Amino acid sequence: DVQMTQSPSSLSASVGDRVTFTCRTSRPIGSYLNWYQQRPGQAPNLLIYAASSLQSGVPSRFSGNGSGTDFTLTISSLQPEDFAAYFCQQSYLSPYTFGQGTKLDIK
Amino acid sequence: ELQLVQSGAEVRKPGESLRISCQGFGYRFANYWITWVRQMPGKGLEWMGRIDPSDSYTYYSPSFQGQVSMSVDTSITTAYLQWSSLKASDTAIYYCARMESAPRPGYTSYFYMDVWGKGTTVFVSS
Repeated sequence: DVQMTQSPSSLSASVGDRVTFTCRTSRPIGSYLNWYQQRPGQAPNLLIYAASSLQSGVPSRFSGNGSGTDFTLTISSLQPEDFAAYFCQQSYLSPYTFGQGTKLDIK
Repeated sequence: ELQLVQSGAEVRKPGESLRISCQGFGYRFANYWITWVRQMPGKGLEWMGRIDPSDSYTYYSPSFQGQVSMSVDTSITTAYLQWSSLKASDTAIYYCARMESAPRPGYTSYFYMDVWGKGTTVFVSS
């Protein structure tokens, strides 16, 4: 299986901050990387697919970058609704594994 | 409206069987794989596997192979996740999701889960 490592595991930030999450894979996966947001008590929601493509309806403050083994998700200016958990997932090789997640909370 | 509607919460005892469902609306059900994702209490997401509704081909993650079975009934646009003998460790929220694809000429398409059900909570305890 492709192992996924997200960092940091948790992060505290304030409204208006710029934050970046990292996802590293155990082998190169090209751009086969997706990002999901999960608010407490809700199902996950797709933010970014193919490493950098913004899903329809997702605010433009979210952006994704990277290829190979190192990927980032950036939120340019945090809004109150962005405090949630974020998961990366690879779709290069089955099983399509997830990272362990980064929890973003309010400072 | 494009949505996946999952069945309600279940409480079972160890050793009992269970089938939960996921019904698709607002799109051509047979054209998109359905995937299942487990989330144990307070934990992250685990990809369990997927089923192709057009031919019922299934792929199970090795972690779940032999533990669950996936099936579909395309006549009622519904996918199922089934256990024959539950364990306490099966306690979790189970999400179904539609697998969309973005073509990449000459290469494997990009796959991603674009529509999610709200989840079915399964609680297993004696």
